[in-house]
Amino acid sequence: GEDVEQSLFLSVREGDSSVINCTYTDSSSTYLYWYKQEPGAGLQLLTYIFSNMDMKQDQRLTVLLNKKDKHLSLRIADTQTGDSAIYFCAERLGYNFNKFYFGSGTKLNVKP
Amino acid sequence: DGGITQSPKYLFRKEGQNVTLSCEQNLNHDAMYWYRQDPGQGLRLIYYSQIVNDFQKGDIAEGYSVSREKKESFPLTVTSAQKNPTAFYLCASSITGQAGEAFFGQGTRLTVV
Repeated sequence: GEDVEQSLFLSVREGDSSVINCTYTDSSSTYLYWYKQEPGAGLQLLTYIFSNMDMKQDQRLTVLLNKKDKHLSLRIADTQTGDSAIYFCAERLGYNFNKFYFGSGTKLNVKP
Repeated sequence: DGGITQSPKYLFRKEGQNVTLSCEQNLNHDAMYWYRQDPGQGLRLIYYSQIVNDFQKGDIAEGYSVSREKKESFPLTVTSAQKNPTAFYLCASSITGQAGEAFFGQGTRLTVV
């Protein structure tokens, strides 16, 4: 299957940590991605993780992967107002792994 | 600079008309994709192409058509058969195989008037 699920909204205060969660159903996923979308724009890649990894850290971003539960999370440390956006998780599937499936997106609102 | 260009950014169409959305990439990617984005529904795959002169239907292909005559170009036609075409359309490309992310254009917002 290719169902990728996320909660729709998250609200945090500036300076706090944000944790955005995602669940996926296809255990054959080899790469899992986090994208950010500003209003009216395309998606920008934030980070990705190989399915044989448990964690990846990149500056303020930490990705955790629980393969057993098919759960992916993105933690943003010291969240800023500029982090307000929609965040999508995605998995790469299909013959030759050439199909990307996206979650519904989580809208992060950062309050000053 | 390398990237994906979608045009136009905004498009208005009368009911019953076909309209074509442009997508061009200079990243030398073999694979290209079209997604539709509606509020609260995320991105849904319309069509994808892994190589020139070949393409496959995605999950919501009805009412849409594509062509892939050149590696750089993957235009999407929204036909009059698409009952609810008003949406934000995103084009993407990637290398083929197991590695690599999808690169996105800036999107085209289509409104039926």
